[in-house]
Amino acid sequence: DSGVTQTPKHLITATGQRVTLRCSPRSGDLSVYWYQQSLDQGLQFLIQYYNGEERAKGNILERFSAQQFPDLHSELNLSSLELGDSALYFCASSLSSGGAREQYFGPGTRLTVT
Amino acid sequence: EDQVTQSPEALRLQEGESSSLNCSYTVSGLRGLFWYRQDPGKGPEFLFTLYSAGEEKEKERLKATLTKKESFLHITAPKPEDSATYLCAVQEQGGGAQKLVFGQGTRLTINP
Repeated sequence: DSGVTQTPKHLITATGQRVTLRCSPRSGDLSVYWYQQSLDQGLQFLIQYYNGEERAKGNILERFSAQQFPDLHSELNLSSLELGDSALYFCASSLSSGGAREQYFGPGTRLTVT
Repeated sequence: EDQVTQSPEALRLQEGESSSLNCSYTVSGLRGLFWYRQDPGKGPEFLFTLYSAGEEKEKERLKATLTKKESFLHITAPKPEDSATYLCAVQEQGGGAQKLVFGQGTRLTINP
């Protein structure tokens, strides 16, 4: 158990809908990261937050957005869903935003868009 | 752009048969190289961080090494419970961003 929690575990929804994925980082960790894992693309970085502020963006679609709240939990919002958005979405956390810090991953949310 | 290539894509070994997994990378400045283990449908589990060429880290039957262009994950006398996908990732120097760039992974199967 990494200490990172994610809800829900599974999500099945229809095209065009909007969903919210939630993540709670390990106790004491200030950085939160979101990754998408699909069969053909592997693990892809989406976005990083540090202590409530956006720190870095990867190949995140405009239909996707995220935020980190004062209690440090984070939410990833996916809207106008398409079949290709079906994937595993992982949240990870690390202690700080400086230096080479290992990231601890949550169990993931499996999103299926039908 | 950072690139990480892992080989082989899949590896099947007999229990006790030692081998190595390769991770080659291109990055302008390496801040750290990370190894993770991932079981099907689960989140990646952190194994090692390597910072500079020549560094080695060990944990049970696993040993990770780093050169300027690649890293190896050596598995000694593996057991069936070592079966998993092993992921390599790099983190580039510079700026506050700490994104990890992952390779596609090596799917390791250990037969009893």
